[in-house]
Formats: sequence, structure tokens, C-alpha cells
Amino acid sequence: GEDVEQSLFLSVREGDSSVINCTYTDSSSTYLYWYKQEPGAGLQLLTYIFSNMDMKQDQRLTVLLNKKDKHLSLRIADTQTGDSAIYFCAESMNDYKLSFGAGTTVTVRA
Amino acid sequence: DAGVTQSPTHLIKTRGQQVTLRCSPKSGHDTVSWYQQALGQGPQFIFQYYEEEERQRGNFPDRFSGHQFPNYSSELNVNALLLGDSALYLCASSRKTANYNYGYTFGSGTRLTVV
Repeated sequence: GEDVEQSLFLSVREGDSSVINCTYTDSSSTYLYWYKQEPGAGLQLLTYIFSNMDMKQDQRLTVLLNKKDKHLSLRIADTQTGDSAIYFCAESMNDYKLSFGAGTTVTVRA
Repeated sequence: DAGVTQSPTHLIKTRGQQVTLRCSPKSGHDTVSWYQQALGQGPQFIFQYYEEEERQRGNFPDRFSGHQFPNYSSELNVNALLLGDSALYLCASSRKTANYNYGYTFGSGTRLTVV
């Protein structure tokens, strides 16, 4: 995951919005993904964005892509306790592999 | 519709031994990728199999090998285990089409502990 960087921790109050940030280095990335991992579980695909898009919204999730700065963010509206998990940003240059960041641990407090 | 199934869920092996991990892809998927996730880190790509061939490989030694069967299921083999091989091993399946943003479906992983 050395090409994808994320902040390690985020604490948010229940009901507030969470914003998780990610930077990537390869401008030829075609797709960028957000995955969620709960304790003891595998990875759950939350959403993805194609590199020619600036924004994608899916219910409580909003993805923003700034290609110039190679910056990707995931906004979770109305954060709930069930949103507590590790969130991974990943990029894909081809259909062979995903390159992941180290993950952001999101803790939702009451 | 079953997702990606991995077995076993947990495994303890001794340094120097060999291990085989198994993966059944999601129904309709024909491509299997393997990832290693060390504690506190993001998953690292090991290799991908499609049409029973290794298509691309990450930065892992030859001790890591794999196989894909005609039914698309796959095995990951690790020889001469080292303590550093202790990790969660994740299998991901996908459908190889021109529009590959169908995404990758991950299994729950096999937790390997080398002692």
C-alpha cells in the first residue's frame, strides 16, 4: 500500500458526518474504491468511482475525487455506531490488482 | 447466492511447514486474486488467476504459489513457512469483462498463525 496513503484514525460523534481522506500517486489509476472491514471479517465493497468522475453519491455515502491533487475522500452522512470499522482506500490501474492504503480506523462515539 | 468462501477460517502451523488455503469464488465469477493482510496493514496483492493461469504477481517470493481449477476455485500454497507469514489471507473474486468495475468480492479470510 505504499502508493496509497490514509490517515490512521478518525473519531466522530454519532449523527455527525465522517470524512475519510486518501491520496494516491498513480495518475493512471482507472478505478478508486472504498472498502469497509469490520473486526474478524473480510472486506466489504462500499463504493467505487471511475477516474473520469468528480463525485459519486450512494445513499449516505459521497465520494469526491480531485484528480489534480490525486485526492479521494469518502463522506458518511449521519454516522451510526454500525459505521465503526476500518476503511480502506484502494486504486486499480488495470484489472489485475488492487493497491490498498493502510486503512483508517473510524470510531463512532455516542 | 453464496459469496466468496474460504477455508479453513483459522490455522496454526509451525515454522518450516507448508500450508494450503482454499477459495471458492462467488457464483458467476471466473477470476480469483489472493491478498495477504498483516496485522494493522492494508492487504497486499499476492497474485491473480484467470483461466487456470497466473496472470500477475505481486512482490512475494516463490514460496507462495497457487492454482486455479476448472470450476474457478483456487488454492494458495505457502512452503517453508516463516513467522512473518502470519497474517490474514484474503481471497477476492471478480468477473473478467471489458467493464471490470463490477468490483471484487472478498471472502472473510483465513487467519494463519506461524509459531
